[in-house]
Amino acid sequence: KAGVTQTPRYLIKTRGQQVTLSCSPISGHRSVSWYQQTPGQGLQFLFEYFSETQRNKGNFPGRFSGRQFSNSRSEMNVSTLELGDSALYLCASSPGVNEQFFGPGTRLTVL
Amino acid sequence: AQTVTQSQPEMSVQEAETVTLSCTYDTSESDYYLFWYKQPPSRQMILVIRQEAYKQQNATENRFSVNFQKAAKSFSLKISDSQLGDAAMYFCAYRRSQGNLIFGKGTKLSVKP
Repeated sequence: KAGVTQTPRYLIKTRGQQVTLSCSPISGHRSVSWYQQTPGQGLQFLFEYFSETQRNKGNFPGRFSGRQFSNSRSEMNVSTLELGDSALYLCASSPGVNEQFFGPGTRLTVL
Repeated sequence: AQTVTQSQPEMSVQEAETVTLSCTYDTSESDYYLFWYKQPPSRQMILVIRQEAYKQQNATENRFSVNFQKAAKSFSLKISDSQLGDAAMYFCAYRRSQGNLIFGKGTKLSVKP
């Protein structure tokens, strides 16, 4: 099976812009989760989608949003970008309640 | 709230030797899962090993094994016969049933030839 794919792999934006990141889970996986990784805060959970519904949400401002499509692909959107949003954004898919399998990540740089 | 603590920011091991990475966690749940993930310089998170809390037997995957002490809320990772390719950041993670992963801060492992 193909692994989790994320696009784009690298992104440079300026403050105030918005960005959309995409994630395609492993075939058959219906759960997709998003995490933000920064040197200061480490790995932090953003949100999880299951069958097109948000099932869990982390402690991030409303500028961070996501959605999941009927084919389980997921997108996350960050509006009004801030310098502190620069991070590696990781997507993970899961077949159920156990392990999550991660994609290669999208490196977002906000200038 | 659940927390995961990795007390060793950095560790070093000689090639072919054994190293143990420590992890403790805090939870009031009885049904949960524990994981070790490896993140090499490529930044790809790779699942190394998992442990279900209801299982008393420690998980083993080839050269990787865990020491799961449920009462002590301890979950250490032992890497035997260390190889140069084992050099990476290692993250301990906790997940309650249908919850999100909660990660520790990570341990950077260096392997000396």
